[in-house]
Amino acid sequence: SQELEQSPQSLIVQEGKNLTINCTSSKTLYGLYWYKQKYGEGLIFLMMLQKGGEEKSHEKITAKLDEKKQQSSLHITASQPSHAGIYLCGADISGSSNTGKLIFGQGTTLQVKP
Amino acid sequence: GAGVSQSPSNKVTEKGKDVELRCDPISGHTALYWYRQSLGQGLEFLIYFQGNSAPDKSGLPSDRFSAERTGGSVSTLTIQRTQQEDSAVYLCASSSRPTLSSYEQYFGPGTRLTVT
Repeated sequence: SQELEQSPQSLIVQEGKNLTINCTSSKTLYGLYWYKQKYGEGLIFLMMLQKGGEEKSHEKITAKLDEKKQQSSLHITASQPSHAGIYLCGADISGSSNTGKLIFGQGTTLQVKP
Repeated sequence: GAGVSQSPSNKVTEKGKDVELRCDPISGHTALYWYRQSLGQGLEFLIYFQGNSAPDKSGLPSDRFSAERTGGSVSTLTIQRTQQEDSAVYLCASSSRPTLSSYEQYFGPGTRLTVT
C-alpha cells in the first residue's frame, strides 16, 4: 500500500466551484509539501506545512495540516481554468535521519471546465 | 540563477549507452535531491546531498546509477549501460535545509530520458 495516499485521483469541476484534495500519510509527518505540475513540466512549489493545525494560503488555494490524523487538505476556492493540472503532495517522513527526502502521493489530476 | 536548472531537457539514448544528467541548484542551497518520475512508479526519491556528501543513496535503483556533487553546487547523475526501464523524467530539487528542520524544496524542470 502507498505510504502517502491522495484522493481523489482525478477531479472535474465547473469553473467557479470549490474543491478539496486530501493527502493522508501512514507515517509521522515532519513536513507536508504541496506542488502543482502541468504535463511535461516540473513541479511548482505551492506551500509547505510543518505544525499541527497550521494553515497557509496562496491566492485562492488554502492548505491545512492535521498532525494527529497525519493528513493535509488542499482547498481551492472559486476554481479557474488556470488551476487545472496535477496536484502532488510530498511528505517528509525522514524523522531522526533528517534527510528531508520526500515521498509523494500518486497525484490528483484536476480539470476545470469553463 | 533564479531557480533550479537542469540539462539537457530531453535526452534520447540507445540501450547500453551511458548518460549524464546535470543539475544546477539555487545558489546557496546546501541540500540537493534527485527524484525520478515514471508512469508506473510515480515520483521516487533517488539520492540526497548535503554539501558534497551523499548521506542517503537509498533510492538509487541499481549500481548502474551514481551521482556526485562538486563545490557544494552542481550535481551530475550518471546512468551507465542504460536500460529501457530507465526511461523517465529525472527531477532535481534543492533546499536551504539546515540540519534540524524541513525547508522548502524547489524543483527544476526535469530531464526527460528516453532509452530506445
